[in-house]
Amino acid sequence: RKEVEQDPGPFNVPEGATVAFNCTYSNSASQSFFWYRQDCRKEPKLLMSVYSSGNEDGRFTAQLNRASQYISLLIRDSKLSDSATYLCVVESNSGYALNFGKGTSLLVTP
Amino acid sequence: EPEVTQTPSHQVTQMGQEVILHCVPISNHLYFYWYRQILGQKVEFLVSFYNNEISEKSEIFDDQFSVERPDGSNFTLKIRSTKLEDSAMYFCASVRDNKFSTDTQYFGPGTRLTVL
Repeated sequence: RKEVEQDPGPFNVPEGATVAFNCTYSNSASQSFFWYRQDCRKEPKLLMSVYSSGNEDGRFTAQLNRASQYISLLIRDSKLSDSATYLCVVESNSGYALNFGKGTSLLVTP
Repeated sequence: EPEVTQTPSHQVTQMGQEVILHCVPISNHLYFYWYRQILGQKVEFLVSFYNNEISEKSEIFDDQFSVERPDGSNFTLKIRSTKLEDSAMYFCASVRDNKFSTDTQYFGPGTRLTVL
């Protein structure tokens, strides 16, 4: 079983739409969870950390369900600039390495 | 805003040659990492480095790879004898302090390595 699994998409949505991405992870001992964003041929950039209580940053909401080992990201009121690949990331047991999912591709169209 | 820098942005080499990829982490950061991303695939952890020694490495990081912090600012990845399958984007990352799990790893812009 892959350590971090995501639906690769692509998700094609119109501007203003709400879109949700899901992710599952295999290591129940994982403690830290993140969503990163990656534009084509660029470095990953942290979008937000994910906390058990859920957290929101503007139009972005992240949720964590430890029992189901499931992480989600909700984007409301999509903008053209949200078009990117969204990477689900889980910290390894050692606390050093980040384990990345393959990413979910989002294309927001006018 | 401080950032991680990497040079060169693109390196082309012949199979069997040695390459050294260079990174300058953020100045007050203590933990350094190398990741790679083969085109179309996920970002993969290679190695982490703290206090002048490797703290963790993946299966990918075999004897062909080595890392070094030759001075107070640079962090290098050396591939001794490159193979075609080493062609990838190599990202350097750093984090201020690994004690706090929410500390962010900041990634450099990457070096695209092409092995011919």
